[in-house]
Amino acid sequence: QKEVEQDPGPLSVPEGAIVSLNCTYSNSAFQYFMWYRQYSRKGPELLMYTYSSGNKEDGRFTAQVDKSSKYISLFIRDSQPSDSATYLCAMTESGTYKYIFGTGTRLKVLA
Amino acid sequence: DVKVTQSSRYLVKRTGEKVFLECVQDMDHENMFWYRQDPGLGLRLIYFSYDVKMKEKGDIPEGYSVSREKKERFSLILESASTNQTSMYLCAEQGPGGYTFGSGTRLTVV
Repeated sequence: QKEVEQDPGPLSVPEGAIVSLNCTYSNSAFQYFMWYRQYSRKGPELLMYTYSSGNKEDGRFTAQVDKSSKYISLFIRDSQPSDSATYLCAMTESGTYKYIFGTGTRLKVLA
Repeated sequence: DVKVTQSSRYLVKRTGEKVFLECVQDMDHENMFWYRQDPGLGLRLIYFSYDVKMKEKGDIPEGYSVSREKKERFSLILESASTNQTSMYLCAEQGPGGYTFGSGTRLTVV
């Protein structure tokens, strides 16, 4: 079993839809949780960075962490064609450099 | 904003060639990383450096080496390129807000 599981998609939604992207993990020591967006042929860019449990909102994006269920989510409201990309979750323990990445979910937002 | 620059976007090399991939960061951060990214396998850590001349092996170091002579520059070396090293190579540096990645180098070994 992988430490971090992420559905590869592709996930296709119409413009304006609410998108939910998810990751599950097995290591209860993970404390920091990140979401990266990666456009085709580009490097990943950091979208959201959260510590421990709870929600964090930034514009149309909301990151949610449920440590009791070992489950994290990224919600995108009013999705746009420009949101079409691969979304990677990442997580790490406190005091370590190493991030564990999910394999990414490919999202397509249809105009 | 932090900037991480990878010297080449696309490279085509022949089997057996020695290949150098260069990465430069514009902040004074200690930690730098080399990953490769393959479909279905995600990001896999090749090597990590936590200071000048300091390095640690990641999960898949075989066939690779690294060099960090200056804090801002971290190089990945393929000693003798093979076709199974065809991949997307990503350099990253770690700041207070997490990793910043470069744009990647798509390497094809023929």
